[in-house]
Amino acid sequence: GEDVEQSLFLSVREGDSSVINCTYTDSSSTYLYWYKQEPGAGLQLLTYIFSNMDMKQDQRLTVLLNKKDKHLSLRIADTQTGDSAIYFCADVRGGSQGNLIFGKGTKLSVKP
Amino acid sequence: KAGVTQTPRYLIKTRGQQVTLSCSPISGHRSVSWYQQTPGQGLQFLFEYFSETQRNKGNFPGRFSGRQFSNSRSEMNVSTLELGDSALYLCASSQAKGPPYEQYFGPGTRLTVT
Repeated sequence: GEDVEQSLFLSVREGDSSVINCTYTDSSSTYLYWYKQEPGAGLQLLTYIFSNMDMKQDQRLTVLLNKKDKHLSLRIADTQTGDSAIYFCADVRGGSQGNLIFGKGTKLSVKP
Repeated sequence: KAGVTQTPRYLIKTRGQQVTLSCSPISGHRSVSWYQQTPGQGLQFLFEYFSETQRNKGNFPGRFSGRQFSNSRSEMNVSTLELGDSALYLCASSQAKGPPYEQYFGPGTRLTVT
């Protein structure tokens, strides 16, 4: 099966919170990342979390990590239309820091 | 600081031809990784270069190759192009000085093979 899995679509109303979920299989993952991709653009690193942390907050972004269940989530508070994009979670293949394993991406649509 | 740049941004090639894509990393970054993005397979790791040496390689055929120069700029080459090679090719650079291994991506090169 896939190493990193995400649901494909999420639709929210402007001003609501968005929660994007991800599961991974590699128990040796040390860092987990969230990237954002807007149409026609490359990937923008949003945030990351070290595997010995449960939570990390960065302005409107909150990352939660449940290492036991290998579940990662990204919460975007006060979602804006400019947040519409595809969001990818990724982990570093154990020991290979240049090799990110990505999920298929969650397309977030924000309705005004 | 300038971001990662990739040239060209768009390319159209014919089956059987070869192509070379270029990536200039962020100044001071010594590691460059390449990824292929397609609608069907998503983002897949091709290879990583560090100090002019290939450090990691993904599961792609030998038609895909790369190299890195002493100034950390990198090129990837695809020989004998196939229709399935049509994709967005992304490169990413990192300082590679240790965790958290933040990778910064360029805008990509959109390759279309006809």
